[in-house]
Amino acid sequence: AQKITQTQPGMFVQEKEAVTLDCTYDTSDPSYGLFWYKQPSSGEMIFLIYQGSYDQQNATEGRYSLNFQKARKSANLVISASQLGDSAMYFCAMREVGDDKIIFGKGTRLHILP
Amino acid sequence: DGGITQSPKYLFRKEGQNVTLSCEQNLNHDAMYWYRQDPGQGLRLIYYSQIVNDFQKGDIAEGYSVSREKKESFPLTVTSAQKNPTAFYLCASRTQGSAKNIQYFGAGTRLSVL
Repeated sequence: AQKITQTQPGMFVQEKEAVTLDCTYDTSDPSYGLFWYKQPSSGEMIFLIYQGSYDQQNATEGRYSLNFQKARKSANLVISASQLGDSAMYFCAMREVGDDKIIFGKGTRLHILP
Repeated sequence: DGGITQSPKYLFRKEGQNVTLSCEQNLNHDAMYWYRQDPGQGLRLIYYSQIVNDFQKGDIAEGYSVSREKKESFPLTVTSAQKNPTAFYLCASRTQGSAKNIQYFGAGTRLSVL
């Protein structure tokens, strides 16, 4: 069964607008971690933000924030004031505590328009 | 600077040939990982290693082999048994003992078959 679902294969957003990238996950483990990575055209995977399942507050890192809705099993990435350099693939991922492996979604390709 | 170095950036394999992809890290990380990425897809785990001289198969280990003789190095060999090796290969590492277990990635190696 697919554990990470990213339903938006591609998105087009005007520069300076905020953008939300959707991610839903499936796990029966009460303890887990959620990650977002950015992959520009160069190919390198860049870590953006982390949310633990027991964290009381939504994670934030600069222009990135994670809208964590535990009951809905949703972990959407919000990018504020988008920039042209934000154009890339974005991957949502999950790790269950006790498991050394991370499971990745299929990604969303984000295009920022000037 | 600390980081993860993958080489070569591009690699070509002939039929029946084994090729080895290099991954070196100077982050003093304990665990290392190899992933395969096909076009438009997420990452799939090939092999991972938590300590020197030990490694485990991931989800798609068939046709691949690894070694972990040094903490800093985790080379991946794509053997002739891997019938569809054309893909982008990413190496990652993480430190042990961190609750977040964030994996950091190298820049990748793109492998093509001649």
